[in-house]
Amino acid sequence: QKEVEQNSGPLSVPEGAIASLNCTYSDRGSQSFFWYRQYSGKSPELIMFIYSNGDKEDGRFTAQLNKASQYVSLLIRDSQPSDSATYLCALLKRDSNYQLIWGAGTKLIIKP
Amino acid sequence: NAGVTQTPKFRILKIGQSMTLQCTQDMNHNYMYWYRQDPGMGLKLIYYSVGAGITDKGEVPNGYNVSRSTTEDFPLRLELAAPSQTSVYFCASSYSLDRVNTEAFFGQGTRLTVV
Repeated sequence: QKEVEQNSGPLSVPEGAIASLNCTYSDRGSQSFFWYRQYSGKSPELIMFIYSNGDKEDGRFTAQLNKASQYVSLLIRDSQPSDSATYLCALLKRDSNYQLIWGAGTKLIIKP
Repeated sequence: NAGVTQTPKFRILKIGQSMTLQCTQDMNHNYMYWYRQDPGMGLKLIYYSVGAGITDKGEVPNGYNVSRSTTEDFPLRLELAAPSQTSVYFCASSYSLDRVNTEAFFGQGTRLTVV
């Protein structure tokens, strides 16, 4: 079992709709969780991180964490074509010496 | 602030050749990392460093070497290149304020092809 699992997609969402990206993890020792966006041919960039159960909102983005069910999700409201990218989920484990564990990413396509 | 700078951006190597990927950061970050990313895959950690003079292996270290003589620089050395090392390489750095937020800042990547 992979430590971090993401559906590779592509996930196709109409412009203006809500895009929902999911990530599950296997290690209950995981401490905090990160969503990175990676445009094709570019390097990853941080969107947001979350470490407490519940929701965390930042503009059009909302991260949701459920430690009991071991999943973290990213919601993108009012999706724009510029949101089309691969979204990488990463986690930090309590004893990982600051090493991030990465999922393979979900490719998101926003259709105009 | 230039952030994390990687060179070169592209390189084609012949099997058995060697090369060094350069990485430098100007954010005074203690932590630096080298990742490789194969098509459709996530990031795999090759080596990392928690400070000058300290390096450690990641998930896929075979065929690579690193050094960290200064806080700023973290070069990755490929010895005896093999086709399996064809990939995109990313250098990253981070400064951990606490144990829950370790944002990694990435260089622009090096696309390496071994033929």
